[in-house]
Amino acid sequence: AQKVTQAQTEISVVEKEDVTLDCVYETRDTTYYLFWYKQPPSGELVFLIRRNSFDEQNEISGRYSWNFQKSTSSFNFTITASQVVDSAVYFCALSEGTGNQFYFGTGTSLTVIP
Amino acid sequence: DGGITQSPKYLFRKEGQNVTLSCEQNLNHDAMYWYRQDPGQGLRLIYYSQIVNDFQKGDIAEGYSVSREKKESFPLTVTSAQKNPTAFYLCASSLAGDSYNEQFFGPGTRLTVL
Repeated sequence: AQKVTQAQTEISVVEKEDVTLDCVYETRDTTYYLFWYKQPPSGELVFLIRRNSFDEQNEISGRYSWNFQKSTSSFNFTITASQVVDSAVYFCALSEGTGNQFYFGTGTSLTVIP
Repeated sequence: DGGITQSPKYLFRKEGQNVTLSCEQNLNHDAMYWYRQDPGQGLRLIYYSQIVNDFQKGDIAEGYSVSREKKESFPLTVTSAQKNPTAFYLCASSLAGDSYNEQFFGPGTRLTVL
């Protein structure tokens, strides 16, 4: 079974719209870490955020915000006032406390139309 | 600048040939990883190494081999035994091979088998 599910394969929005990328995870560990990465067309994955399982506080960084809800096993990512430079593939990943492996979702391809 | 370099960026090989992908990091990280990325799929772990002279198989190690003779280097050999080697290969490193540390990625190598 998939440990990380990103149900949205592709999303297109018009510039300045807000967009939310969904991430649902599955684990039996009580300690785990969730990550978001951005993969621009150049191919290199860029780390965006890490959240540990004991910290459900939402986080905001500029136009980016993350909503972590353990009750629904979700770690969603919202981009406010999207820009063309936000166009990329975004990956959610899970790392379990009992292991040392990252589990990546299949990614969401975001296109921001000018 | 600190980072991860992968070479070459594009690689072409004929069927039946072995090929080695280079990965070097100057971040002084202990752990290094190799992933494979296919269109529409997430990243799948091929091999990882938590320390020099030690490495473990990931989810899709068949047809691949690695070595870790130096802390900064983790080359990946794609052998002729790999049935579908055409893919995008990403190398990553992290401070330590535990679940907490984020992974930093190189720019990737796109391998095409002719």
